[in-house]
Amino acid sequence: SSELTQDPAVSVALGQTVRITCQGDSLRSYFASWYQQKPRQAPILVIYRKNRRPSGIPDRFSGSISGNTASLTITGTQAEDEADYYCNSRDSSGHQRVFGGGTKLTVL
Amino acid sequence: QVTLRESGPALVKPTQTLTLTCTFSGFSLTSSGMCVSWIRQPPGKALEWLALIDWDGDKYYNTSLKTRLTISKDTSKNQVVLAMTNMDPVDSATYYCARGNDYGDSFDYWGQGTLVTVSS
Repeated sequence: SSELTQDPAVSVALGQTVRITCQGDSLRSYFASWYQQKPRQAPILVIYRKNRRPSGIPDRFSGSISGNTASLTITGTQAEDEADYYCNSRDSSGHQRVFGGGTKLTVL
Repeated sequence: QVTLRESGPALVKPTQTLTLTCTFSGFSLTSSGMCVSWIRQPPGKALEWLALIDWDGDKYYNTSLKTRLTISKDTSKNQVVLAMTNMDPVDSATYYCARGNDYGDSFDYWGQGTLVTVSS
């Protein structure tokens, strides 16, 4: 399968914890990475290799995997975290890359 | 400092071939594990992975677009070129190039993107 499925929209109260999920069969075999995209900006890598953060990404961002579902968790969500979030991984062949459909995070 | 910049036409006509160039600096595409990918995003829609070329010259394409895409690199110029044939209005999108530093398992640096409109 070459599909990664995300919920289209999620909301969270300021300061609370939110989990954004990404489901796909290929996630049983390959790493997921996560990207944050704000309006009119290029995406930014926030999580790679399941749970590693690039330099400059706050530690409130974390990643995990369970079976065929990868999750991005934001603990103590801030207003500036409001954005679209995309997961990415390989397809079942391991050669193609694929993005999920994206999750719009609203911070209330 | 790693940077990538996309360049190419902002407007192409239907059936024409789009050629985009990604000019990068701050890394070498000959280093083991290094890749450059092209990714696009139609207005208001999701990211779509298009193609990838790695340090070894291996090329990978989105299966649904494979017949229309060609990716190539010029390591002496630090450039990666994407050609997409038979352009259609549905191909109108912002096209990004991005570096894959981890055998292409993640994309850690992105260009700012270039908006391409397909219209007669």
